[in-house]
Amino acid sequence: KQEVTQIPAALSVPEGENLVLNCSFTDSAIYNLQWFRQDPGKGLTSLLLIQSSQREQTSGRLNASLDKSSGRSTLYIAASQPGDSATYLCAVMDRGSTLGRLYFGRGTQLTVWP
Amino acid sequence: EPEVTQTPSHQVTQMGQEVILRCVPISNHLYFYWYRQILGQKVEFLVSFYNNEISEKSEIFDDQFSVERPDGSNFTLKIRSTKLEDSAMYFCASSPRARAYEQYFGPGTRLTVT
Repeated sequence: KQEVTQIPAALSVPEGENLVLNCSFTDSAIYNLQWFRQDPGKGLTSLLLIQSSQREQTSGRLNASLDKSSGRSTLYIAASQPGDSATYLCAVMDRGSTLGRLYFGRGTQLTVWP
Repeated sequence: EPEVTQTPSHQVTQMGQEVILRCVPISNHLYFYWYRQILGQKVEFLVSFYNNEISEKSEIFDDQFSVERPDGSNFTLKIRSTKLEDSAMYFCASSPRARAYEQYFGPGTRLTVT
């Protein structure tokens, strides 16, 4: 069964720092990996989707990389801002599922202080 | 930009009551999913649905749960006899294709069972 782990569980940094959030998964047979943002009590906002054949994706200040063979992904946030404060979730779409079941990590709770 | 919508945003019910959570997927999407997140825990897959049939369900999705696409736009999750442990945020998602494609999530329905 696919297990997704995210490290660290929480991170508190001053504004302007560059950050790296880590995600690991146990089974490399995936279709893709998706990073989400979740604000307290709210839904899931998709940030980046990396297909299994890709190595990285970029959107603005966000860059996500994928090393499928080692079962790892990182989300790099450049020049962090207080508005980036949220929980960041990593999810993998397992090849063993019929229609694309997502397995989520517990998330990294990020606080960026001014 | 098209969005997945869910109603109600918050539902409070008594143990043993039936609840129906409603979702309107993005209009040209064909694949539908339900996930749930118990407070402080991971987002967990419940069920996937295509062509008016359940494609895959998790061990959580027992006989108390059912899904339906009653018309061309709505997708519902019914819990027949709610338990305290059903209290969670329930997310609907849809996708234009299966497997390797991005899933688009709704804002969620917070279900509180008292």
